[in-house]
Amino acid sequence: QVQLQESGPGLVKPSETLSLTCTVSDGSVSSGGFYWSWIRQPPGKGLEWIGNIFYSGSSNYNPSLKSRVSISVDTSKNQFSLKVRSVTAADTAVYYCARVYGDYSWLDPWGQGTLVTVSS
Amino acid sequence: QSVLTQPPSASGTPGQGVTISCSGSSSNIGSNYVYWYQQLPGTAPKLLIYRNNQRPSGVPERFSGSKSGTSASLAISGLRSEDEADYYCAARDDSLSGVVFGGGTKLTVL
Repeated sequence: QVQLQESGPGLVKPSETLSLTCTVSDGSVSSGGFYWSWIRQPPGKGLEWIGNIFYSGSSNYNPSLKSRVSISVDTSKNQFSLKVRSVTAADTAVYYCARVYGDYSWLDPWGQGTLVTVSS
Repeated sequence: QSVLTQPPSASGTPGQGVTISCSGSSSNIGSNYVYWYQQLPGTAPKLLIYRNNQRPSGVPERFSGSKSGTSASLAISGLRSEDEADYYCAARDDSLSGVVFGGGTKLTVL
């Protein structure tokens, strides 16, 4: 069963760039024709889709975040990554990565999530 | 403000049934499949229902999904204490070319 694990700094300063990596194990980011996704959840709030990427590098983003977000894939390391630029306190959230089946909202499995706090 | 609308809370006693609604529009639920996710306290969301009414392997038959027009529902029968969780609906939105979620429903088993 494929497993996903998020990693990256737990604390980022305002105006800086948040960078996270999702490592895929027991599976390959470049096989099966899957997309790979990032989703976030502010403390005590609901889920927000950030964006998807295909192993070829084709990506799409939530329009509300598109100007500050980029997602990339490294097939040699079996990883995909997220960058969020010019962060503010509103970007404080648990960030999840997930595999995407079929249409974009079929997300399974999910990583365990990693909390990123934006604070000086 | 979430694109899909769910009641913020629901409750029931053990053994009872409960239904959670999810309302959207023609660009999301009306033209795409609906998915449901269960988030137990302190854990990552887990796929509960896919393609409107299909259960992944391991999900009890007590959980069922349905869709009609621009609305969907998650029904849970024979409530158990371990069902206490947050439940989210999701669908692709054609106008956004992405995923939209409901705001989540916190289910309490009294």
